[in-house]
Amino acid sequence: NAGVTQTPKFRVLKTGQSMTLLCAQDMNHEYMYWYRQDPGMGLRLIHYSVGEGTTAKGEVPDGYNVSRLKKQNFLLGLESAAPSQTSVYFCASGRGYQETQYFGPGTRLLVL
Amino acid sequence: RKEVEQDPGPFNVPEGATVAFNCTYSNSASQSFFWYRQDCRKEPKLLMSVYSSGNEDGRFTAQLNRASQYISLLIRDSKLSDSATYLCVVMYSSASKIIFGSGTRLSIRP
Repeated sequence: NAGVTQTPKFRVLKTGQSMTLLCAQDMNHEYMYWYRQDPGMGLRLIHYSVGEGTTAKGEVPDGYNVSRLKKQNFLLGLESAAPSQTSVYFCASGRGYQETQYFGPGTRLLVL
Repeated sequence: RKEVEQDPGPFNVPEGATVAFNCTYSNSASQSFFWYRQDCRKEPKLLMSVYSSGNEDGRFTAQLNRASQYISLLIRDSKLSDSATYLCVVMYSSASKIIFGSGTRLSIRP
């Protein structure tokens, strides 16, 4: 039982490049979330999903897209990376809203 | 003003001490409250939920004061392993609104 895993752990991009971050959970959770964490700030919700095939915007969705084609996977895409997207990205999953969220280990992204 | 505010600390206390910190929130529509713990360069992990009546889990006690709009976390008999950043989380009725505080850093010294 791996819980929540994230791929890759670390990535360096040049401005304008694209990439996809993968989140996978093996707990059969309906809800999945993508957050970013910047120094001195709390985690901020980018997008979330309440089930397979659904996605919705969070607090800071601009510049990101997501997809949830399979219940266990939640993908976060950056179409054209910008230095402002340098951050640590955390994925989380949970049985339902207002329930415990289980986080992945994070992806550190540096955009030059 | 931030919607959820925490004293960033650091709180530097000796082992065995009792330490408490608060988290204030500005929106009275808040519905659920949690404390998460985050170790350096690691992911957040749930410490405890915060119930209206207050709740205790071993050395940890969480309280909610809706009238004054804050939640608190009390740690008794602190251990070196309690050194971490403590994040408060406020949730509203919609899953699109989950607010994390920026965290309070706690350092326990021998």
